[in-house]
Amino acid sequence: KQEVTQIPAALSVPEGENLVLNCSFTDSAIYNLQWFRQDPGKGLTSLLLIQSSQREQTSGRLNASLDKSSGRSTLYIAASQPGDSATYLCAVNSGYSTLTFGKGTMLLVSP
Amino acid sequence: NAGVTQTPKFRVLKTGQSMTLLCAQDMNHEYMYWYRQDPGMGLRLIHYSVGEGTTAKGEVPDGYNVSRLKKQNFLLGLESAAPSQTSVYFCASSYEGGYGYTFGSGTRLTVV
Repeated sequence: KQEVTQIPAALSVPEGENLVLNCSFTDSAIYNLQWFRQDPGKGLTSLLLIQSSQREQTSGRLNASLDKSSGRSTLYIAASQPGDSATYLCAVNSGYSTLTFGKGTMLLVSP
Repeated sequence: NAGVTQTPKFRVLKTGQSMTLLCAQDMNHEYMYWYRQDPGMGLRLIHYSVGEGTTAKGEVPDGYNVSRLKKQNFLLGLESAAPSQTSVYFCASSYEGGYGYTFGSGTRLTVV
């Protein structure tokens, strides 16, 4: 059974810092890995999708990397802003038409 | 600009009551999912559907039933609600299994 772990569970940084969120998964036989953002009281918004054959994906200030063999992914956020405050979730597609989610990292960026 | 719509947004039930949560999508997606989100447990898959008329069990299906009679709708039923079913329920749809997810805004259900 695939298990996804996210570290840290919570993170607080001042505005402008670069930061890294970590995700690990137990079964390296994946199709893709995805990062989502969830604002309080809202649904999830897709941020980045990395195919199993890719090493990284970038969107604006976000960069996600994937090391499938070691079962790890990182989400790098450059020059953080208060508007980046949210919970970030990592999810893995292991080929069963569904995603397995981590518990998320709650990020607070203070002005 | 609707995407995935969940109704209702909030509901309080008494133990033993039944209810149905409705999820509707207007993107012609084949796949639809129901998740529950609990503090410290993350998102867990309840049931999902790979097309009209199909349903499948997820990680935590007990106490729930689902139906996908129309492609655009996915219903989640609680036949006899229990306090352990207090949670936030999210519906999602995707054009392909594991790709291109769009989530609804959630239903907050409290069972007393």
